[in-house]
Amino acid sequence: QKEVEQNSGPLSVPEGAIASLNCTYSDRGSQSFFWYRQYSGKSPELIMSIYSNGDKEDGRFTAQLNKASQYVSLLIRDSQPSDSATYLCAVNGSPSGGGADGLTFGKGTHLIIQP
Amino acid sequence: SQTIHQWPATLVQPVGSPLSLECTVEGTSNPNLYWYRQAAGRGLQLLFYSVGIGQISSEVPQNLSASRPQDRQFILSSKKLLLSDSGFYLCAWSYTGNTIYFGEGSWLTVV
Repeated sequence: QKEVEQNSGPLSVPEGAIASLNCTYSDRGSQSFFWYRQYSGKSPELIMSIYSNGDKEDGRFTAQLNKASQYVSLLIRDSQPSDSATYLCAVNGSPSGGGADGLTFGKGTHLIIQP
Repeated sequence: SQTIHQWPATLVQPVGSPLSLECTVEGTSNPNLYWYRQAAGRGLQLLFYSVGIGQISSEVPQNLSASRPQDRQFILSSKKLLLSDSGFYLCAWSYTGNTIYFGEGSWLTVV
């Protein structure tokens, strides 16, 4: 069974600081990794994808991947109150690992940016 | 650009009643389609996925079924709802099975 683990939080960060969100995954064969943001009562929206070891930057967001450690992280620089949301980490493949399409999601980290 | 629509947005159904949630995708052809459920305190659970018309695969045994009568239409159904079916249901699509894009979601409360 494929698993993705995240600290549920809440993670409280002051406005303007760097928020660091972490995720580990169980399937060493995973190839694609994603971060989604979900506001309360809304559907998840894609923030970033990463496929290779190292860092990938997009505006205030940086995704980091370390396949050897099976670890993915998301950094949010200059955090804003509008960044307050639940952040979902996902890896390619279904939870059953049976070759199905789709993504396996962690339960998410609740991030609170304090003004 | 591609868009995905899902309805109804919210519904309250009694135990034992039927269910039908519908989803359509615009601006693409032959997408992979998915139904996810997000229950309180739990993560996103993949329920069904489809790679083509009439092709449905189930990830978990459950009280629900799915159908894909047209290329860009995906339907989630139940003949008799259980209390445990309550949750936030999300339809999603992708091209390659990797990046997934979600619809607005449907809130189901079974009473």
